[in-house]
Amino acid sequence: AQKVTQAQTEISVVEKEDVTLDCVYETRDTTYYLFWYKQPPSGELVFLIRRNSFDEQNEISGRYSWNFQKSTSSFNFTITASQVVDSAVYFCALRESSGGSYIPTFGRGTSLIVHP
Amino acid sequence: EAQVTQNPRYLITVTGKKLTVTCSQNMNHEYMSWYRQDPGLGLRQIYYSMNVEVTDKGDVPEGYKVSRKEKRNFPLILESPSPNQTSLYFCASSLRTSGGRGNEQFFGPGTRLTVL
Repeated sequence: AQKVTQAQTEISVVEKEDVTLDCVYETRDTTYYLFWYKQPPSGELVFLIRRNSFDEQNEISGRYSWNFQKSTSSFNFTITASQVVDSAVYFCALRESSGGSYIPTFGRGTSLIVHP
Repeated sequence: EAQVTQNPRYLITVTGKKLTVTCSQNMNHEYMSWYRQDPGLGLRQIYYSMNVEVTDKGDVPEGYKVSRKEKRNFPLILESPSPNQTSLYFCASSLRTSGGRGNEQFFGPGTRLTVL
């Protein structure tokens, strides 16, 4: 069974600090997909990134970067020089590929509060 | 504009009064799904559909029905709502269900349902 753990319930930082949101997953599949979504205070869910299990290359998008490590089953998300607009709940999700499983599993989310 | 729309955005109803939450996407996506979001539990999938006339249960399907008569629409039906169905509901769609590009989900704005 697939499982996603976001151990950090809430993180509070001051603007311009770097912050890392942890995501640890469990799966028996060798092919799977990992996602990060952002939910700002307005409530909508915004797709940030998808990562395939066979592609361990880390990715950087502006101030956002993702560190995928299969050896530790982690897909951590780092925001560099955080801004108040980064305040949101961030969800990590996993979807397995085999066995026709089309049910993604979401972590419980990490609430990030960036203070000015 | 490519989007997923849901209606209504807010609904207060009473126990036992049948209701339907509509979901529509204009991106010709194959895959659509419904989630509920509850504090401390993250997002849990209720039902999903891989294409027209193909629907299947997610993690928490009890008390809900869906239909997929057209590709763009995926309504969520609560035949006899109960207070434990008070939640924030999201509809989502993705281009495809298989791996690779296009399996990330795009979410609607959410429907906040209160059952008294």
